Amino acid sequence: ETGVTQSPTHLIKTRGQQVTLRCSSQSGHNTVSWYQQALGQGPQFIFQYYREEENGRGNFPPRFSGLQFPNYSSELNVNALELDDSALYLCASSFTGGAIKTQYFGPGTRLLVL
Amino acid sequence: GESVGLHLPTLSVQEGDNSIINCAYSNSASDYFIWYKQESGKGPQFIIDIRSNMDKRQGQRVTVLLNKTVKHLSLQIAATQPGDSAVYFCAENRNTGNQFYFGTGTSLTVIP
Repeated sequence: ETGVTQSPTHLIKTRGQQVTLRCSSQSGHNTVSWYQQALGQGPQFIFQYYREEENGRGNFPPRFSGLQFPNYSSELNVNALELDDSALYLCASSFTGGAIKTQYFGPGTRLLVL
Repeated sequence: GESVGLHLPTLSVQEGDNSIINCAYSNSASDYFIWYKQESGKGPQFIIDIRSNMDKRQGQRVTVLLNKTVKHLSLQIAATQPGDSAVYFCAENRNTGNQFYFGTGTSLTVIP
């Protein structure tokens, strides 16, 4: 177990709706990264949060947004859901400020958009 | 373009044999690599990592080899067990970036 938790575990939404996914980072970590993993593919980087600000973003549209809170937990928000947003959403926790950049993943949230 | 790819999408081995999973990367600026194991319905699990100033690192039953000349990474699993059955990903990180790039993965099946 990594100590990284995500909620909810599963979610079903319809096209056009909005969704919020949550992540609690591992103790001692100050950085949260979000990834989208489509079926049969490797995880794709969405963005990273450090010091409550976005600290890098992958090739995802602005309707994907996030937040980080003072306790280092984070939210991923997706507006105007599309069918292709159906995927496993992974949160990864790490520590920024040292030499080690290892990311530890949570169990993921499975999102199905109908 | 940038890519992290795997030579073999699927691999089947007999229990007790050694497994070798390969990964090619194209970005010579990458300086840190991680191997992850992902079981069905779960998030990726850290196995072992290696920095670009090393060419070999060993863990418990696993060894990672890095060949920067040909941009190749491999994961060796000794005495493969049924519990090793999973999809294995290599992920690369560049020293100026904060994201990891993942390949499509290799599915390892261990035959009892």
